[in-house]
Amino acid sequence: KAGVTQTPRYLIKTRGQQVTLSCSPISGHRSVSWYQQTPGQGLQFLFEYFSETQRNKGNFPGRFSGRQFSNSRSEMNVSTLELGDSALYLCASSPLASDRITPLGYTFGSGTRLTVV
Amino acid sequence: KQEVTQIPAALSVPEGENLVLNCSFTDSAIYNLQWFRQDPGKGLTSLLLIQSSQREQTSGRLNASLDKSSGRSTLYIAASQPGDSATYLCAVKSENFVFGPGTRLSVLP
Repeated sequence: KAGVTQTPRYLIKTRGQQVTLSCSPISGHRSVSWYQQTPGQGLQFLFEYFSETQRNKGNFPGRFSGRQFSNSRSEMNVSTLELGDSALYLCASSPLASDRITPLGYTFGSGTRLTVV
Repeated sequence: KQEVTQIPAALSVPEGENLVLNCSFTDSAIYNLQWFRQDPGKGLTSLLLIQSSQREQTSGRLNASLDKSSGRSTLYIAASQPGDSATYLCAVKSENFVFGPGTRLSVLP
């Protein structure tokens, strides 16, 4: 059974550019959540998508957006990149939305390491 | 607002020791608590998941307990090995997952 797949693994972008990251959840999982991990702030919740709808959103500026497709694959977009956006971006999948109790918990991908120069 | 803390921030032990990692959370209204392991530069690997109605879960040399009323969880690692060296994160699921800052564990051969 394939795990959560994130692409690309590494990315280098210049300030002001935009970037799109992709996450393919475990087959059958309908919930995808995105997290940003930095040394200073730790892991912070960005947003959650379930059945193509954004369910929850963390405290990030509007430059951070996402979407989910009918096959549950999700993309995250960051526009007008800043140096502080350099981070490891992780996505996690779950069979159910976050407000439903799931015995399976969340499964994380290996992440996309974004470096903004 | 849920806040999660973990102590100690870092821990270095000789191989073979038993050890305890601690996780505290401020809001006891949680669905579950999950312990993860993260190797440097890598994603998260789920170790144990404890539902809010459970008191503990065990997997091999790992045992996690949950005391929801006091807002605490512990991860017990028996007979530690150098391969256990990693950062251990706990996360509580309320509306969303809220992560602790992690405990960086080094097991010395």
